[in-house]
Amino acid sequence: DTAVSQTPKYLVTQMGNDKSIKCEQNLGHDTMYWYKQDSKKFLKIMFSYNNKELIINETVPNRFSPKSPDKAHLNLHINSLELGDSAVYFCASSSSGRDTYNEQFFGPGTRLTVL
Amino acid sequence: KNEVEQSPQNLTAQEGEFITINCSYSVGISALHWLQQHPGGGIVSLFMLSSGKKKHGRLIATINIQEKHSSLHITASHPRDSAVYICAVRIGGSGSRLTFGEGTQLTVNP
Repeated sequence: DTAVSQTPKYLVTQMGNDKSIKCEQNLGHDTMYWYKQDSKKFLKIMFSYNNKELIINETVPNRFSPKSPDKAHLNLHINSLELGDSAVYFCASSSSGRDTYNEQFFGPGTRLTVL
Repeated sequence: KNEVEQSPQNLTAQEGEFITINCSYSVGISALHWLQQHPGGGIVSLFMLSSGKKKHGRLIATINIQEKHSSLHITASHPRDSAVYICAVRIGGSGSRLTFGEGTQLTVNP
């Protein structure tokens, strides 16, 4: 029973291509996130959605477009891929309810390599 | 300067040793998380703290809100504890982003 799942796990593509990474959570959470982990293993927030609404949009190139069709899904589409986009992308989810611990659960990550 | 600083960056220990990893932050936070990332890459949440101390098995996490400091302790360390340990703080209310430290690479030798 995977709580937060991402597909694909590995993605190798050429510069200039467009690709998508999908994320799904079955925890009933209402908030989902995309994080990027660079080659130095440093994690940084990219986007956050709450109830399908964008609430955090860090300084990310507009080639990156998140899409949340429903509360359980947050997909990441990347246009015109560049070498610098190579990284591991993690999806996470949490609940925003006042009485919860708001712990974040992470997906297994998608390793994107742009050649 | 990063809002979240961890020390040490790298730590090598012998099996059985008591280990401490430190985290300092420079902003007001609503919660602090300790995460573990294994060589395979998956990230697991170990603790979420807003005050005091939490214990889970051989792991103990403490936080001092006034001093803006948290520690993660591992008692009777084991080679399977080898991983990257990441401190992250939540700034703002529930559902807010996490801001991460750079991680501490722990290696426990048998």
